[in-house]
Amino acid sequence: GENVEQHPSTLSVQEGDSAVIKCTYSDSASNYFPWYKQELGKRPQLIIDIRSNVGEKKDQRIAVTLNKTAKHFSLHITETQPEDSAVYFCAAMVIKRGTYKYIFGTGTRLKVLA
Amino acid sequence: EAQVTQNPRYLITVTGKKLTVTCSQNMNHEYMSWYRQDPGLGLRQIYYSMNVEVTDKGDVPEGYKVSRKEKRNFPLILESPSPNQTSLYFCASSLSRVNTEAFFGQGTRLTVV
Repeated sequence: GENVEQHPSTLSVQEGDSAVIKCTYSDSASNYFPWYKQELGKRPQLIIDIRSNVGEKKDQRIAVTLNKTAKHFSLHITETQPEDSAVYFCAAMVIKRGTYKYIFGTGTRLKVLA
Repeated sequence: EAQVTQNPRYLITVTGKKLTVTCSQNMNHEYMSWYRQDPGLGLRQIYYSMNVEVTDKGDVPEGYKVSRKEKRNFPLILESPSPNQTSLYFCASSLSRVNTEAFFGQGTRLTVV
C-alpha cells in the first residue's frame, strides 16, 4: 500500500545550525508534498509545500527539495531558533479512483538547543 | 475567522459507552477527514468525505463511523469505544481539489478506560 517514511524520528541541533528532515514516498503518482509543523499541544499547521513540477521551494529560512525520480523529498531549516522546536510531519497526496488522501510520515521531533 | 472546530477537547469515557466527537468548519470546504495521532505512528486517516453524503474509509476505520449530512459538519462516532481507541484525534478540511492545504481542528484527546 501507499506509505511515507520519515527520518529521523528525533533531531537535536544547536541554535543557529541547520536541520534536515527526509521523507520517502511509495506512490509514484503522488504530486503534492506538504510539510506540517505541530507545536506542543497544538494542531498541525502547514509551513511549506511543493508540487511535482518543481524541484525546490524556499520561504525565508525554510526550504523543501523534491526528487521525483528517487521519490524523496526533504525539509531544510537554516539558522534554527528555539521556536523551531516542534514535531514536523511530511505528507504525500495519493490520488486514486477519483478520490484523494494525504499519507503522513511518522513525524520528527526537532529540538533546538539554546 | 476561518477555522475548524472540534468538541470536546478532552474526553474520558468507559469501554462500550457510545460517544460522538463533533467537527465543524466555516470555510465551505468540500473535503473533510478524521485522523488519529499516536506516538511513533504519525497521523493516520480514519475516514474522509469528498462532499455531502459521500464518505469513505481511510487507513484505520475499524471501530469508527462518520456521517456527512451537511457540508460544514463531519462528526466521528465511536459506537462501542475500546481502550485501543485512546488517542489524539484531529479533524481536517480542505477544498475538494488536489494539491490544497488541509486545515486542522484543535484536536480531541480521548481516553477510554
